[in-house]
Amino acid sequence: IAGITQAPTSQILAAGRRMTLRCTQDMRHNAMYWYRQDLGLGLRLIHYSNTAGTTGKGEVPDGYSVSRANTDDFPLTLASAVPSQTSVYFCASSPGGGGTQYFGPGTRLTVL
Amino acid sequence: AQTVTQSQPEMSVQEAETVTLSCTYDTSESDYYLFWYKQPPSRQMILVIRQEAYKQQNATENRFSVNFQKAAKSFSLKISDSQLGDAAMYFCAYRSTTTSGTYKYIFGTGTRLKVLA
Repeated sequence: IAGITQAPTSQILAAGRRMTLRCTQDMRHNAMYWYRQDLGLGLRLIHYSNTAGTTGKGEVPDGYSVSRANTDDFPLTLASAVPSQTSVYFCASSPGGGGTQYFGPGTRLTVL
Repeated sequence: AQTVTQSQPEMSVQEAETVTLSCTYDTSESDYYLFWYKQPPSRQMILVIRQEAYKQQNATENRFSVNFQKAAKSFSLKISDSQLGDAAMYFCAYRSTTTSGTYKYIFGTGTRLKVLA
């Protein structure tokens, strides 16, 4: 059982470039989430999706977009990357009504 | 709005000893979940323990237990017989349940635990 996979593991990106972080889960969870983790700030929610076809904004959505075309995939796109988006990005999922979130291994993104 | 506070940025414990990590939260809800996650240097977020607010009994998972004080809005994690592998960043998290089906997870800023040999 793979759980949640994220790609790439790490990436260095020039400012202004477009980047999509991929996230796939095989647990058939309804809900999926994107967080960014910055030193001293914990995990902050960027976007979420309660079920396929729906998405919502989290605490820090500016500069990011998501889509949820099916249950398994939840890509995060940076349309025009800026240095302040340098962070570690985690994808997570949870079953409907259950409560526990399961996390992917994270993507370390550096924007220069 | 709900908030989660971890007031200890860093803690140290001697191997085989017991340590308690603190977490407080603020909410007006009565039904919610609380979690402790461990993040070792590998970066992977690992669920340590979970507590449902409606349960009065404190959750326990092997050497990990919580002290859940609902009225005080406190949710501390106790690690007994600490091992070198327990060294990690620990995050407290709160999940609210809404009738609209939207779940919000709010994380504290983390406590770095060092285990001394």
